[in-house]
Amino acid sequence: GQQVMQIPQYQHVQEGEDFTTYCNSSTTLSNIQWYKQRPGGHPVFLIQLVKSGEVKKQKRLTFQFGEAKKNSSLHITATQTTDVGTYFCGGLGSGGYQKVTFGTGTKLQVIP
Amino acid sequence: EADIYQTPRYLVIGTGKKITLECSQTMGHDKMYWYQQDPGMELHLIHYSYGVNSTEKGDLSSESTVSRIRTEHFPLTLESARPSHTSQYLCASSEYIETEAFFGQGTRLTVV
Repeated sequence: GQQVMQIPQYQHVQEGEDFTTYCNSSTTLSNIQWYKQRPGGHPVFLIQLVKSGEVKKQKRLTFQFGEAKKNSSLHITATQTTDVGTYFCGGLGSGGYQKVTFGTGTKLQVIP
Repeated sequence: EADIYQTPRYLVIGTGKKITLECSQTMGHDKMYWYQQDPGMELHLIHYSYGVNSTEKGDLSSESTVSRIRTEHFPLTLESARPSHTSQYLCASSEYIETEAFFGQGTRLTVV
């Protein structure tokens, strides 16, 4: 079946440093979604990427979808304490595998 | 604000008890999902439904069962709870398979 891995599993950064999490799928994806889960909270949708090589920005967050549509990344510039949480990617399989498979998540801790 | 609700938020029950976790959404979404998530860990899909009277098992084997008699309601039942069922259960819905998922606040279940 489809597998989606994320690295790193954990990341501690000093406030103001940049942060990147990478998402890799074992199969080609139709789209990729990114979610943020605050500690003790539930996942909240951030963005969706559909096109090969697509790049989208939301303020300090930059999302990329790989050319082969098998990987994606989320980059946060100049982290703030409000960025703390776990970031999940969710990939929708192409062809007959019509389910979103979530990645293993990257837990971000920002040290003030 | 997403209109998807889960009750109860927290539940502590004894081994062997039967429980039902409730999930309701008012967005008219056909697609609904149940995820199991241990604290700080990845999301595991345990059940999903693409419409009334349609339910499927997810990627992670679960002893729970679900039903979908009405579009807005997707309850999850454990016939005989065990300590190994202790976890957080998250319900979600989406308009289409490929669109963003809206998550409920979750039910934190502890079986003693």
